[in-house]
Amino acid sequence: AQSVTQLDSQVPVFEEAPVELRCNYSSSVSVYLFWYVQYPNQGLQLLLKYLSGSTLVKGINGFEAEFNKSQTSFHLRKPSVHISDTAEYFCAVTLYGGSQGNLIFGKGTKLSVKP
Amino acid sequence: DAGITQSPRYKITETGRQVTLMCHQTWSHSYMFWYRQDLGHGLRLIYYSAAADITDKGEVPDGYVVSRSKTENFPLTLESATRSQTSVYFCASSGHGSSYEQYFGPGTRLTVT
Repeated sequence: AQSVTQLDSQVPVFEEAPVELRCNYSSSVSVYLFWYVQYPNQGLQLLLKYLSGSTLVKGINGFEAEFNKSQTSFHLRKPSVHISDTAEYFCAVTLYGGSQGNLIFGKGTKLSVKP
Repeated sequence: DAGITQSPRYKITETGRQVTLMCHQTWSHSYMFWYRQDLGHGLRLIYYSAAADITDKGEVPDGYVVSRSKTENFPLTLESATRSQTSVYFCASSGHGSSYEQYFGPGTRLTVT
């Protein structure tokens, strides 16, 4: 079965600094990968997704992620963060061609952007 | 307005009571999901449904019941609430063949006293 590990539970960073949120997955077959963002007291919103093709995926709000098959990673990056990026970020994985009920989420990384 | 809504947004109930959380989507998505979110656990799938009258268990189904008589609605019932079911509950939906992207509702914060 696949699993997702988000290596940092909390990431503090200063405004305008770059940030990387790390995600590793475990699967012996091809996967789809996602990053979701959850702002305080809201539901989750899709940031970006990797299905196939280019390993560098661009999402909303200036975020991007790179799929690295050899390292089974899908790290999320932003070159310059804003206060408004303060939120919790979830990495998720599902099997290529698998059941749509099998989206597995990591435990989340809380990004705190300080002025 | 189009989208996915949940009601109530906040609920306090007592141990042993039955409570139903409602979820409604206007996209005619085939798939619907119920998750619970707890500190240290992330999101865990309770139940999901691939279509009307088709439901299946997720990771943590015990103590919950679902039904789906209409495509747009997917209520979640706690038959006899326990304190361990205090959580934030999220409903989500996904279109068939939509690359597995799920759209989430705003959540229901449930407290069982």
